[in-house]
Amino acid sequence: SQTIHQWPATLVQPVGSPLSLECTVEGTSNPNLYWYRQAAGRGLQLLFYSVGIGQISSEVPQNLSASRPQDRQFILSSKKLLLSDSGFYLCAWSYDRGGAKLFFGSGTQLSVL
Amino acid sequence: AQTVTQSQPEMSVQEAETVTLSCTYDTSESDYYLFWYKQPPSRQMILVIRQEAYKQQNATENRFSVNFQKAAKSFSLKISDSQLGDAAMYFCAYRSASNNDMRFGAGTRLTVKP
Repeated sequence: SQTIHQWPATLVQPVGSPLSLECTVEGTSNPNLYWYRQAAGRGLQLLFYSVGIGQISSEVPQNLSASRPQDRQFILSSKKLLLSDSGFYLCAWSYDRGGAKLFFGSGTQLSVL
Repeated sequence: AQTVTQSQPEMSVQEAETVTLSCTYDTSESDYYLFWYKQPPSRQMILVIRQEAYKQQNATENRFSVNFQKAAKSFSLKISDSQLGDAAMYFCAYRSASNNDMRFGAGTRLTVKP
């Protein structure tokens, strides 16, 4: 069966520090991968998605970046965190076919102080 | 770009009663898919129901059903016999058949009163 791992669960970082959140998927190959951010009590904002190794689509211009160094690994990074980067970050995957549902990780609560 | 609108930030329902959550979307495409996801206090995203736009029949999953009105671009979720465990944030989502991204609405927080 397929599983998705996302870590860490919580993270407190000072402003200006770097960020690296990792997500891995097991039990499938060539998944579509996604990073979403959820502000407190609000909806999900699509940040990045990837349909293959090295293929990243960015939805929102910001100081975050994403990389996909391996088929089932998706990394969200920042060189210098801003206060506005605080939020709940969710990684997700789907099969590479139209209309496929998303399977979500358990999320990372990031607090930038 | 497609947009998804949930006009009810909060809803409340009495246990065992029925509640309907609204969702509208904007698209110029004819082939797409719609979803309702539930996010309980654990914050884990759980798929509730999925609808293919090419199907006229409304999807049903046990106590959950949708009212899909393609011409009106409306996709409401009906929860029957509401249970305390239904209390959560509910998100409506749109996925094009030709694109790989999925767009979410702002969510509706559902409270179930005993």
